[in-house]
Amino acid sequence: RKEVEQDPGPFNVPEGATVAFNCTYSNSASQSFFWYRQDCRKEPKLLMSVYSSGNEDGRFTAQLNRASQYISLLIRDSKLSDSATYLCVVPDQTGANNLFFGTGTRLTVIP
Amino acid sequence: NAGVTQTPKFQVLKTGQSMTLQCAQDMNHNSMYWYRQDPGMGLRLIYYSASEGTTDKGEVPNGYNVSRLNKREFSLRLESAAPSQTSVYFCAIYRGLTGELFFGEGSRLTVL
Repeated sequence: RKEVEQDPGPFNVPEGATVAFNCTYSNSASQSFFWYRQDCRKEPKLLMSVYSSGNEDGRFTAQLNRASQYISLLIRDSKLSDSATYLCVVPDQTGANNLFFGTGTRLTVIP
Repeated sequence: NAGVTQTPKFQVLKTGQSMTLQCAQDMNHNSMYWYRQDPGMGLRLIYYSASEGTTDKGEVPNGYNVSRLNKREFSLRLESAAPSQTSVYFCAIYRGLTGELFFGEGSRLTVL
């Protein structure tokens, strides 16, 4: 089983819509989680960190469900500039300072 | 990205050729990483270095060597390139306090 699995996407939504992505993780010992954003042909950049039940930053909300071992990312009032691939990331619990990346969910916001 | 600089940004090799990808950081962090990104596979760790002079294998180290001669630089070498090594390579540093990986802009390698 992969450490991190994400909705395959792609998601095509109109401007102003609300969209949510889910991500499941395999290691129940995981304590922290991250969402990265990656624009086409660019490097990934940290979007949000999640250390407890969730985190909110403007239009973006990340929620954690430990019982079901999934993390979600909710984007409200989608903007054209939100078009990107969103990567779900979970730290390696073996002691190495490594992160496991999901394959990403591609979002396109349509005018 | 002034923090992490990768060179070259693009490279085309023939099978069997060798090359080195260079990575330099000016953020004074101990941990540095090399990842590769392939369609449908996500980012996978090749090698990492927790500090100057130390290196460890990641998930997909075969066909690669690394060198961490000083705190700033972490290089990735392909001794005999294969088409399966066609990929986008990212160098990153680990910001321990935030748990964040900060990436360079990437190096696109094509092996013919």
